[in-house]
This record gives sequence, C-alpha cells and structure tokens, in this order.
Amino acid sequence: KNEVEQSPQNLTAQEGEFITINCSYSVGISALHWLQQHPGGGIVSLFMLSSGKKKHGRLIATINIQEKHSSLHITASHPRDSAVYICAVSGIKAYFGTGTSLTVIP
Amino acid sequence: NAGVTQTPKFQVLKTGQSMTLQCAQDMNHNSMYWYRQDPGMGLRLIYYSASEGTTDKGEVPNGYNVSRLNKREFSLRLESAAPSQTSVYFCASSTGGLLFLQFFGPGTRLTVL
Repeated sequence: KNEVEQSPQNLTAQEGEFITINCSYSVGISALHWLQQHPGGGIVSLFMLSSGKKKHGRLIATINIQEKHSSLHITASHPRDSAVYICAVSGIKAYFGTGTSLTVIP
Repeated sequence: NAGVTQTPKFQVLKTGQSMTLQCAQDMNHNSMYWYRQDPGMGLRLIYYSASEGTTDKGEVPNGYNVSRLNKREFSLRLESAAPSQTSVYFCASSTGGLLFLQFFGPGTRLTVL
C-alpha cells in the first residue's frame, strides 16, 4: 500500500487549459511538498505547505489536512509546464508519490 | 551559486564493483539526503544527515553507506554493487530536515551489469 497516491497518473491537456493534479495520503504529516521533474530528470521543489493554500505565478497548491488531500492547479497551462509532478509528505519520515506525467499540447 | 552538485552524472559498474557518489551543496544547509528513483516507484530515501556529524538510515539503506564529510559534502558508497542497485540517484539538501523545502541535485544514472 502506498502512503501517497496521486491522480491521474498521466494527463494530456491543450495549451491554456486549467489543470488539477490530486494527492491523497494516509499517514500523519507535518508538511506536504509538490515537486516538478523536468523531462531531463532534474527535480525542483515548487511548494511546501502545511495548511491552506499557496500561489506562485500560475501554480496554486491547496491542502485539506482533515481529508488528507492536496491539489496542485495550473492555470493557463503552457507546453513548458510539461513535466512529472510529484507529491511528497514529510513528518518523521518522507513518502513520495509516483508522480503525474503532464503533457501540454500547443 | 551552484546549488546542489553531484558527480558523476552517469556510471556503469559490473556486479561486485564498488563506487562512491559525490554530492556537495553551497547553500549552507544543515540537512542532506540521498534518494533513489526507480521506474513506477516514488523517490525513496536511502540515508539522510540531519546535521554535520550525524547520519541516519532511510527507507532503503541496505547495500549502501554514507559519509557526511563536512557541512557541504555528503557521499554515498556502494561497497559491492548489485543489479538491483541500478537506479537514478538524487542528492538533496534543506535548511533543517524533512519539514523544509528541499533542493535537489541533477541526479546520477547508475547501471549495474
């Protein structure tokens, strides 16, 4: 059983669409992280949040602690957003989801 | 500012050979981590160092050893490589533990034949 589940596994969108990626977790956490892995393999941390909502440019991350659920939204998607998005949770330990592969078509 | 650097970028080993993966960060971070990433699985923590002079096992430590040489450097050693250790290895660092934003290195792609 995976401690972190992401959906969907794969997502294809047209440029300009609003995108939502979901993350559910089953363990107690102190923080939730969203990471972006580029096609070349590099990993960048996008957000770390423990409550509420954070926004950075066209990216918005929300978390509902009671429901053990987080969402990553991308507004006005662009082909450069094509990447794998990884949800991770941390407390005493860290657990990572297997990622959502996003392709944005021009 | 180079961030987190890893060497080598690629490596091919034969079963039983040993090697050390090097990682360095120039952000004055206290904590450093080694992860492996395998197809269809999430990143898994191998070892971490919460601060200089300390190291702890993560989820998958068997077959690996680590050294926190100083605040900047954290190396991962495979004493006797096995095909099951074929993976992409990422080093990361953060200001203070798993609750803080992590910065990742570019990764090392290791193949064990």
